[in-house]
Amino acid sequence: SYVLTQPPSVSVAPGQTARITCGGNNIGTKSVHWYQQKPGQAPVLVVYDDSDRPSGIPERFSGSNSGNTATLTISRVEAGDEADYYCQVWDSSSDPFYVFGTGTKVTVL
Amino acid sequence: QVQLVQSGTGVKKPGASVKVSCKASGYTFTNYGISWVRQAPGQGLEWMGWISAYNANTNYAQKLQGRVTMTTDTSTSTAYMELRSLRSDDTAVYFCAREDSSGYYFDYWGQGTLVTVSS
Repeated sequence: SYVLTQPPSVSVAPGQTARITCGGNNIGTKSVHWYQQKPGQAPVLVVYDDSDRPSGIPERFSGSNSGNTATLTISRVEAGDEADYYCQVWDSSSDPFYVFGTGTKVTVL
Repeated sequence: QVQLVQSGTGVKKPGASVKVSCKASGYTFTNYGISWVRQAPGQGLEWMGWISAYNANTNYAQKLQGRVTMTTDTSTSTAYMELRSLRSDDTAVYFCAREDSSGYYFDYWGQGTLVTVSS
């Protein structure tokens, strides 16, 4: 199965930039999607197709994808951004088809 | 607005079955697929399988083959996930999620249903 690896945790001061990586073999050839999950809540889509944002998601959230690494960038971090973040891809040659990353806990200092 | 509302929390004994429902509203049910994703306590997200609300085609994660069945009732816009032969490691929050029509990602999620497997 296809494996997506994320750092377990990222810490960032308010107003600074958080970067969350998602590593996978040739992930740059796939579309990567990102979800934010706060404690006790369902995940929320924050970036899809590498770098697009759903309506209602602040421009502070952006994404990129190349080579073996995709990155979610959160600019001007706010206390409300503290959450777990998961990357996700679809790979028809993998089982399961939908693969989630291991998740990253973002802590706002 | 799009909503996915799931059934409530349940406690099951090992070996039993559980059936979780997911009632959709705010969109044309048969135009989208529904996936089920679970999350064990303190763990990450695990995709379980997918069902087309249009033609009821399914695709299940291999590790759950034989124990999981996903169905839909188009008359009530409801999707169901049944998991059989429950084990303690099936204890998790189970989410339904709508698959976006243009890509392989999930644009709306249910609130989650906690299923605890314990003797």
